[in-house]
Amino acid sequence: ETGVTQTPRHLVMGMTNKKSLKCEQHLGHNAMYWYKQSAKKPLELMFVYNFKEQTENNSVPSRFSPECPNSSHLFLHLHTLQPEDSALYLCASSQVPNTEAFFGQGTRLTVV
Amino acid sequence: AQSVTQLDSQVPVFEEAPVELRCNYSSSVSVYLFWYVQYPNQGLQLLLKYLSGSTLVESINGFEAEFNKSQTSFHLRKPSVHISDTAEYFCAVSGVGNTDKLIFGTGTRLQVFP
Repeated sequence: ETGVTQTPRHLVMGMTNKKSLKCEQHLGHNAMYWYKQSAKKPLELMFVYNFKEQTENNSVPSRFSPECPNSSHLFLHLHTLQPEDSALYLCASSQVPNTEAFFGQGTRLTVV
Repeated sequence: AQSVTQLDSQVPVFEEAPVELRCNYSSSVSVYLFWYVQYPNQGLQLLLKYLSGSTLVESINGFEAEFNKSQTSFHLRKPSVHISDTAEYFCAVSGVGNTDKLIFGTGTRLQVFP
């Protein structure tokens, strides 16, 4: 495989469930990201892992918990989500400081 | 900090017509600029980028964008669009050497009609 791979592609979960989103990059990059894409809103940067250390958390609620075990893998752990958390969650990677971000195909999350 | 404004949320156009998608940015430092495209149910794909050098950059599928520092713009153009160009287009900016802080615009939906 090449590029950035996200699983699952679709996820439906209840508000009391716990689930995890997975992202893997095969590009040898040194930074990985989680973005949230909601309708009619700009992409929201949620988390940045640069050299495996979380460097930015844009006031994301604690019901979202990221994990970056190594420079190729990134997880987003979800628990007790709200319906307004339904969105497309995009993972990306880049080689900081000077290359663009490469995106996965996203996980379409629906909270019921 | 940087910000991006995409003035048009939707741009309808007929096939083979020219199109321009507008992007303006603000920044107190030098910038890198990007255009991404998103097809339905897909992630974002890089269309073209300006890092340095020539202010006119081109993609492999006929799009081009010009970095205009005085007008703080990076408009995307194509002289003749195809049905397959129908997608959402996002402009993005980062400070030079800070590509881990990429700021996106709200996107422009390009709808090409036959």
